Amino acid sequence: DGGITQSPKYLFRKEGQNVTLSCEQNLNHDAMYWYRQDPGQGLRLIYYSQIVNDFQKGDIAEGYSVSREKKESFPLTVTSAQKNPTAFYLCASSSGLWNTEAFFGQGTRLTVV
Amino acid sequence: KQEVTQIPAALSVPEGENLVLNCSFTDSAIYNLQWFRQDPGKGLTSLLLIQSSQREQTSGRLNASLDKSSGRSTLYIAASQPGDSATYLCANMYSGGGADGLTFGKGTHLIIQP
Repeated sequence: DGGITQSPKYLFRKEGQNVTLSCEQNLNHDAMYWYRQDPGQGLRLIYYSQIVNDFQKGDIAEGYSVSREKKESFPLTVTSAQKNPTAFYLCASSSGLWNTEAFFGQGTRLTVV
Repeated sequence: KQEVTQIPAALSVPEGENLVLNCSFTDSAIYNLQWFRQDPGKGLTSLLLIQSSQREQTSGRLNASLDKSSGRSTLYIAASQPGDSATYLCANMYSGGGADGLTFGKGTHLIIQP
């Protein structure tokens, strides 16, 4: 099955810890994205990548880091610098950056304990 | 900066009704507009994609229109069913500069009563 796989589905983080969320796609898409969703708010863009070994900050990149070493993978690290990390995180991909359809994974719910 | 607004925020209708969800955006400089469905605790499912040069797209009981000049899109759902209950999100890819990602509205929470 082609698609986007996010893992884990649920993640718990202690104060001061870094955690990494996984996103893998087998759609052969060049562009990948990370969004954050909070109750009552629209999705907000954290980081995006148009091609391997290149990525750009989105609207709310502070406290997050990413890498794009392989076309299929775009992991997101939530660092201890992110003061309010509890949220639903969604990964997406598209074949190109602008005029193409975006597809989303099933999300990871991160909770600070 | 692009802003996307969806009205109404919530809607509850009896099964079988035709209904319209509205989406407006502040800047007409867009590459495309996409409608998504989100079930509770799940990711987004793409429903329809309208390119900036297109006026509408149809898929089954769904029809989405785009009026770029007025900054509006509508999603029409015909003969609604309880399985259509979900949150519907509108998003566009802004071409006026800044980060290259979709700008989302907050969604319309739809309940179809059996």
